Parts: sequence; structure tokens; C-alpha cells
Amino acid sequence: DTGVSQDPRHKITKRGQNVTFRCDPISEHNRLYWYRQTLGQGPEFLTYFQNEAQLEKSRLLSDRFSAERPKGSFSTLEIQRTEQGDSAMYLCASSSNRDRGPEAFFGQGTRLTVV
Amino acid sequence: AQTVTQSQPEMSVQEAETVTLSCTYDTSESDYYLFWYKQPPSRQMILVIRQEAYKQQNATENRFSVNFQKAAKSFSLKISDSQLGDAAMYFCAYSRSLIQGAQKLVFGQGTRLTINP
Repeated sequence: DTGVSQDPRHKITKRGQNVTFRCDPISEHNRLYWYRQTLGQGPEFLTYFQNEAQLEKSRLLSDRFSAERPKGSFSTLEIQRTEQGDSAMYLCASSSNRDRGPEAFFGQGTRLTVV
Repeated sequence: AQTVTQSQPEMSVQEAETVTLSCTYDTSESDYYLFWYKQPPSRQMILVIRQEAYKQQNATENRFSVNFQKAAKSFSLKISDSQLGDAAMYFCAYSRSLIQGAQKLVFGQGTRLTINP
């Protein structure tokens, strides 16, 4: 396992379409995070899973966004009825609860463009 | 809510010289973590260095060191002997302690570092 993997790397979609992104965390990591990063800005927290339980969601995560982590392994982030404002880089990160600290490892991200 | 501020949108340094990136944060908590992450162009974000708030000693990782001033809520990153591969966007980030719940990262706006050969 070489790290956090995200698929696809790039997605171009028409406004109004639904899109789904996948994240495969580092295998022994029980914590998984989704962030959104717009151009020239730092990432913003979207949601957090500990194993399969979604424990926290940001107010940024509107009703059109849903995330799942079945069986506590990979996670999916779905955006329904995409809008141009959804265009951003979506980053996934994972961390382990073995350490006291929250060192997070990031994937390369999925860049979404809504046209 | 916690906030992180990076007041330098861009910095440049000559190769082999030293550069310091600034970061300030705001929190009412006493136990937390601070990080510097590096994001090269079109590449994934990687952790450069981390500091636990309960530790008085400044963290050091090879050419990278921090100046952690807890009372002033300041957390600067010093890069010594700058190399071309250090060119990237640098983000300062804050996280609360584990017992307080989800350790989501709160990021600053970033500083773009250019290394001049």
C-alpha cells in the first residue's frame, strides 16, 4: 500500500449532472477525511469518518453532497445536480488512531470542473 | 472557531539561502497540534513538520524547523539551505487534540514559495 488513492484524477461534467469520487485510504487507517480546495486557497474540511461512521459534517456540505464509507474501507463522495460553484479539487486524507497525533496523509485529489 | 492566517501570499529565496514563512492562529484551546504541509504543483500534499502545543521545544526535521510561540499564537517555518525542490505552496494547519473529537485540519490560505537558482 503506497498511500491514499483517489479516482478519478480529473472529472469534467455538465451542470446538473451527478458525479461520484472514490477514495482508498491507507489500509490500516481508520480515520478518513474529505476536503475541498478551490484555486489559490487552502483546503476546507467537508466530512470525517471513523471506520464506517460519519461523525462530522461541515456546513459546506449541502444536501446535494453525500459521503459514505461502507465497511470502513474505501469512501465515496457524491455530488448531485452539480453547479459551477462545485468546481474545485476534492482531497481525501486518512490517519491512524495508533498515534496520539492526527498526522494525515493526503491523496492526489480529484479535480472537478463543472461546465 | 479556530482560524489560521498566513499573511505572505508569495515568498522567494535564493537557492541555498534561508527563508521564513509566517503563520498565526487563533484558538481558545490549550492542547492542539500545528502543522506545515507542502503542496508541489499538481502533486499531493505532504507533511513537512508538526508541533504539539504541550511541547515547549520547537520541532525540527532536517532543514526545516519551526518557531512556536504559544502565547503569541505564532508558528513560523524556517527552511535552511533552500533547494529547488522546496518550491511549492506551503500551508500552515491547526488541529485540535484527539480527545476533543474529529481531528480535522484548519488550513491557512497558503504561501507560494519560489526558489531562485
